[in-house]
Amino acid sequence: AQKITQTQPGMFVQEKEAVTLDCTYDTSDPSYGLFWYKQPSSGEMIFLIYQGSYDQQNATEGRYSLNFQKARKSANLVISASQLGDSAMYFCAMREIAGANSKLTFGKGITLSVRP
Amino acid sequence: DVKVTQSSRYLVKRTGEKVFLECVQDMDHENMFWYRQDPGLGLRLIYFSYDVKMKEKGDIPEGYSVSREKKERFSLILESASTNQTSMYLCASSFPSGRMTDTQYFGPGTRLTVL
Repeated sequence: AQKITQTQPGMFVQEKEAVTLDCTYDTSDPSYGLFWYKQPSSGEMIFLIYQGSYDQQNATEGRYSLNFQKARKSANLVISASQLGDSAMYFCAMREIAGANSKLTFGKGITLSVRP
Repeated sequence: DVKVTQSSRYLVKRTGEKVFLECVQDMDHENMFWYRQDPGLGLRLIYFSYDVKMKEKGDIPEGYSVSREKKERFSLILESASTNQTSMYLCASSFPSGRMTDTQYFGPGTRLTVL
């Protein structure tokens, strides 16, 4: 089974509107971390936001927030007030075991296009 | 700012050639990673290294090897390139504080085409 599932084929949003990018995950570990990265057309992956499994509140970073629903195993990224520069590919990732050698497992990504 | 650089943005090689992809980071990170990215498949981990001369296989190591002789440099080697290794290759590094929050910092990627 996939550990990270991103099923939206491609998303479109009007400039200045909010958009939600979906991510569901699968783990039996009680301790895990969830990450969102942005990949613009230039190719470089940019870290956006992190949510820990024990965090009491949803993470926020500027216009980015994470709608974390632990029981449903979902960690959706919400981008408020979309900008043209938000057009990119977005990846959800999970780390299951903390420690020096822990790895990230990535989803397949979602393409977001912001319309002017 | 963390800087991860990769030797080439674009590379074209022929089937059977030996290919070296180089990655250098300037933040004294212990951990370094090589991924390949293919449409519809996301990022898949090829190899990672958590110290000089140490390496561990990721999810898709077949057809690849790695070298880490110095802390700042992590090389991905395709011993005999094949057309199914045409892909985008991404290098990343991280500082292993041991916390769940450790993020990985990525290079710009190398788009490799094998003819």
